[in-house]
Amino acid sequence: DGGITQSPKYLFRKEGQNVTLSCEQNLNHDAMYWYRQDPGQGLRLIYYSQIVNDFQKGDIAEGYSVSREKKESFPLTVTSAQKNPTAFYLCASRTAGGFYNEQFFGPGTRLTVL
Amino acid sequence: ILNVEQSPQSLHVQEGDSTNFTCSFPSSNFYALHWYRWETAKSPEALFVMTLNGDEKKKGRISATLNTKEGYSYLYIKGSQPEDSATYLCAFPSNQGGKLIFGQGTELSVKP
Repeated sequence: DGGITQSPKYLFRKEGQNVTLSCEQNLNHDAMYWYRQDPGQGLRLIYYSQIVNDFQKGDIAEGYSVSREKKESFPLTVTSAQKNPTAFYLCASRTAGGFYNEQFFGPGTRLTVL
Repeated sequence: ILNVEQSPQSLHVQEGDSTNFTCSFPSSNFYALHWYRWETAKSPEALFVMTLNGDEKKKGRISATLNTKEGYSYLYIKGSQPEDSATYLCAFPSNQGGKLIFGQGTELSVKP
């Protein structure tokens, strides 16, 4: 079945540690996105990538880093520079081009900083 | 910065009630408007992508309308059922890389 997988589902991090969230898709989508959700807020864009080896900062990129070495994979690293990393993280992908293509979402990773 | 607003933030209705909620978006530089449904413990899923002023789309008991001139879209649910309980998100595409600007969502709870 085609879809997006994210792992782990739950992640606990100590302060000062970097952690990497995995996102993989087998939909053959060119574009991939990382969002963060906090209680009472909508999804906010962290980073996005339209093609392999290229990515752009979203609205809240500080303290995060990404890579896009393969079309299928778009891992997100939450660094120790992120002041308030406890949140729910969603990965999404879509076919490139146009404003009409819906985004497909993974199941999310809940990150808690201890 | 583009701003997308949804109201109300939450809604509690009884089974069988019909309900509606609103998404407001910038009326200039309109490209499309997306509606997503996000059920608890699941991934958000697209409901509608609306593109033309006056568009009306329907999926079962859920329908949506679009007014691009005044910058709003309504989502209607006729005869709400408990399985309609979810957060409904609208999103406005920007002209950069397929970015979607999301509203904060309307959380719908339907009691049996």
